[in-house]
Amino acid sequence: SQQGEEDPQALSIQEGENATMNCSYKTSINNLQWYRQNSGRGLVHLILIRSNEREKHSGRLRVTLDTSKKSSSLLITASRAADTASYFCATGSSNTGKLIFGQGTTLQVKP
Amino acid sequence: DGGITQSPKYLFRKEGQNVTLSCEQNLNHDAMYWYRQDPGQGLRLIYYSQIVNDFQKGDIAEGYSVSREKKESFPLTVTSAQKNPTAFYLCASSIGLRGEKLFFGSGTQLSVL
Repeated sequence: SQQGEEDPQALSIQEGENATMNCSYKTSINNLQWYRQNSGRGLVHLILIRSNEREKHSGRLRVTLDTSKKSSSLLITASRAADTASYFCATGSSNTGKLIFGQGTTLQVKP
Repeated sequence: DGGITQSPKYLFRKEGQNVTLSCEQNLNHDAMYWYRQDPGQGLRLIYYSQIVNDFQKGDIAEGYSVSREKKESFPLTVTSAQKNPTAFYLCASSIGLRGEKLFFGSGTQLSVL
């Protein structure tokens, strides 16, 4: 089962612009994480936000979490061509230890 | 150089054949996971293990088997019962048992001949 649904499925922007991706989920969570995947490679962990947090920053990344709406957003500021990748949200449950991934957003940053 | 090593990078399976994908980690992580990724899709959990000699089914375990005889190793066998095995398989590990901050291998692309 897919817990998260991401929006948009694909996003194309110019270098220097900001990119925003959204993730919605269905059940209660312990944490929500964002991962990045370059084509044909494994995923790389970007940031984790816990269910009692509302916003978190890491470099050019900003993540928000709204547990009442069961949604999260990832903002990448001042995007670079090297940010071109697929981005996945994943929700964690403290009960099961499982991490369930969304379908992903494919981001293309044009130089 | 610590990390997760998956091998082989590419694997071909003949009809009726079982194949085993290797996953080794030297991060001393307790938990290990296997995910399947189909083109343009997200990751689906096949199996996960939180401790040696114990593992749990994920969402799509049918046609797959695993073992966890050593902390650093979590091989996945794709059996002949898995009728649509062509996919990108990703192994991951995490420090604790809550599925926080997974470290991924570089993946194995399995194709059917």
